[in-house]
Amino acid sequence: DVKVTQSSRYLVKRTGEKVFLECVQDMDHENMFWYRQDPGLGLRLIYFSYDVKMKEKGDIPEGYSVSREKKERFSLILESASTNQTSMYLCASSLVQPNSPLHFGNGTRLTVT
Amino acid sequence: RKEVEQDPGPFNVPEGATVAFNCTYSNSASQSFFWYRQDCRKEPKLLMSVYSSGNEDGRFTAQLNRASQYISLLIRDSKLSDSATYLCVVAGGTNAGKSTFGDGTTLTVKP
Repeated sequence: DVKVTQSSRYLVKRTGEKVFLECVQDMDHENMFWYRQDPGLGLRLIYFSYDVKMKEKGDIPEGYSVSREKKERFSLILESASTNQTSMYLCASSLVQPNSPLHFGNGTRLTVT
Repeated sequence: RKEVEQDPGPFNVPEGATVAFNCTYSNSASQSFFWYRQDCRKEPKLLMSVYSSGNEDGRFTAQLNRASQYISLLIRDSKLSDSATYLCVVAGGTNAGKSTFGDGTTLTVKP
């Protein structure tokens, strides 16, 4: 069974702090993704990566960066956290083949005060 | 217009009812289609993939209509435990791994 693990379930940070969200998957998936989910806005893609050291911007990359130094690990970085980045952050992974579904971690609920 | 559109509901049905959700998508190059289930404050979990020929898994049936660009999910004999938000997901085009989510349809099954 695929396991996607996010390092924190709940996180509280102050405005201006640098925040790291970590995600690890154990199924050798090529693709990894970061989404945020907000009420009324659904899931929105921030960044994704289809290989080590590769990254692509999603729909809302502003204010975020990512790092993928190893295949199993994909990190989301908030360079200077702001209150509008308070959200549920979901990491996912998948195989590169078509028809391969996403497998999600259990999410990190980030509050920026 | 959103790339993937769902009726947000809520759908409130009694136990044992049959309920159907529809989802339309705008990108005709889409290749992969899924239904996910999301419980309150939890992550989305794959319910089923949707194939051109249609597919069934117990009480759940999914269908794809490429010509009209919609997918559907039918739940028969609804259970209380089916209460959740159901997300339609469409993927494909130039990057098969990139998925677009609908905003979800909320189902509440009542005794």
